[in-house]
Amino acid sequence: GQQLNQSPQSMFIQEGEDVSMNCTSSSIFNTWLWYKQDPGEGPVLLIALYKAGELTSNGRLTAQFGITRKDSFLNISASIPSDVGIYFCAGQLSNTGKLIFGQGTTLQVKP
Amino acid sequence: GAVVSQHPSWVICKSGTSVKIECRSLDFQATTMFWYRQFPKQSLMLMATSNEGSKATYEQGVEKDKFLINHASLTLSTLTVTSAHPEDSSFYICSARVGSLGLAGGETQYFGPGTRLLVL
Repeated sequence: GQQLNQSPQSMFIQEGEDVSMNCTSSSIFNTWLWYKQDPGEGPVLLIALYKAGELTSNGRLTAQFGITRKDSFLNISASIPSDVGIYFCAGQLSNTGKLIFGQGTTLQVKP
Repeated sequence: GAVVSQHPSWVICKSGTSVKIECRSLDFQATTMFWYRQFPKQSLMLMATSNEGSKATYEQGVEKDKFLINHASLTLSTLTVTSAHPEDSSFYICSARVGSLGLAGGETQYFGPGTRLLVL
């Protein structure tokens, strides 16, 4: 079956540092989505990517859709304590709309 | 973004009872909703696709008679965990499939806040 490999699994950084995480797939996706999940809550959409090579920003967050459509990365600049949480990438199947999720990256920020 | 609500946010029940979880799209219509379950420190696992006006489609290994899904309107899907057992205890999350909404690009999914189920 299709799988997304997300790395790193966890990160512990100092406040103010930049963060980068990425996802790779053996399959091509037409849509890549990045979500953040806080404990006990549902995932919140951060960035949606629809075109190969697309680079999109949302505040301090920047994500890119790989040119091969098999990978994506998410960068967070100048991290702050409220960035703490689990970040998930997801590839969307265009015919069914189903999402294939990565394993998640747990981010901890030290003030 | 589009808002999806879930009710209840948490529920505790006795083994053998049935529990119904509601998923609503608050400011838009969703012909397709999805149900996931999530175990601690794990990713989301898709259980089924809920289609308005038709039967749900279940992922491999998910018992359709155990997890009943009804999508009777364009804004409401329900998941009923029948004859719940302790191993059904989990975090259940729904999402709604949303079209392009006029934005450049395509569709996406918005998630509800989740329902934590504890079966004693």
